[in-house]
Amino acid sequence: DAGVTQSPTHLIKTRGQQVTLRCSPKSGHDTVSWYQQALGQGPQFIFQYYEEEERQRGNFPDRFSGHQFPNYSSELNVNALLLGDSALYLCASSRWGSYMNTEAFFGQGTRLTVV
Amino acid sequence: AQKITQTQPGMFVQEKEAVTLDCTYDTSDPSYGLFWYKQPSSGEMIFLIYQGSYDQQNATEGRYSLNFQKARKSANLVISASQLGDSAMYFCAMREGGGNQFYFGTGTSLTVIP
Repeated sequence: DAGVTQSPTHLIKTRGQQVTLRCSPKSGHDTVSWYQQALGQGPQFIFQYYEEEERQRGNFPDRFSGHQFPNYSSELNVNALLLGDSALYLCASSRWGSYMNTEAFFGQGTRLTVV
Repeated sequence: AQKITQTQPGMFVQEKEAVTLDCTYDTSDPSYGLFWYKQPSSGEMIFLIYQGSYDQQNATEGRYSLNFQKARKSANLVISASQLGDSAMYFCAMREGGGNQFYFGTGTSLTVIP
């Protein structure tokens, strides 16, 4: 049973460019959340998708957008990249409506470097 | 205010010894869950242990136990019999009853010394 898979693992982009990160959730999971982890910090919640809709959003600008597909996989798009967007981007999957003690399963992340 | 506070940026422990990683939290929601995750250098967050706000007993999972002191709003992780493979970043996290997101602390870097 494959866990959460993310692609690519590493990415280098130039300031001002746009980037798309991809995530496939764990089998049986229908909800995908995205987190940004800057160097030396804990992950910060970006947003969550369920039934192809954004259900909850953290304190991130509109440059950050996402999408969820019918097969539950998800994309994170970041426009007009800034140097400060350099971070590890983590995808987490879970089951919608599951009880609170259900841990989220995380992927290994995409390390984005903006130069 | 920070929802999760981890005050130990780095900790060292001798192999086979026990170590406690501190975590305090802040919430007004009576229903919440507290989690500990391990993050090795590969980046993946690995779930270790969970404690619910209504749980009467401290959670245990193998060598991991959670020292839950509700009145003090603390949820410290205890790792017994440390192993070299325990060297990693450790994050305390919280989910509140009304939401789906995790709030993470800044993490503690644990180094196990042979």
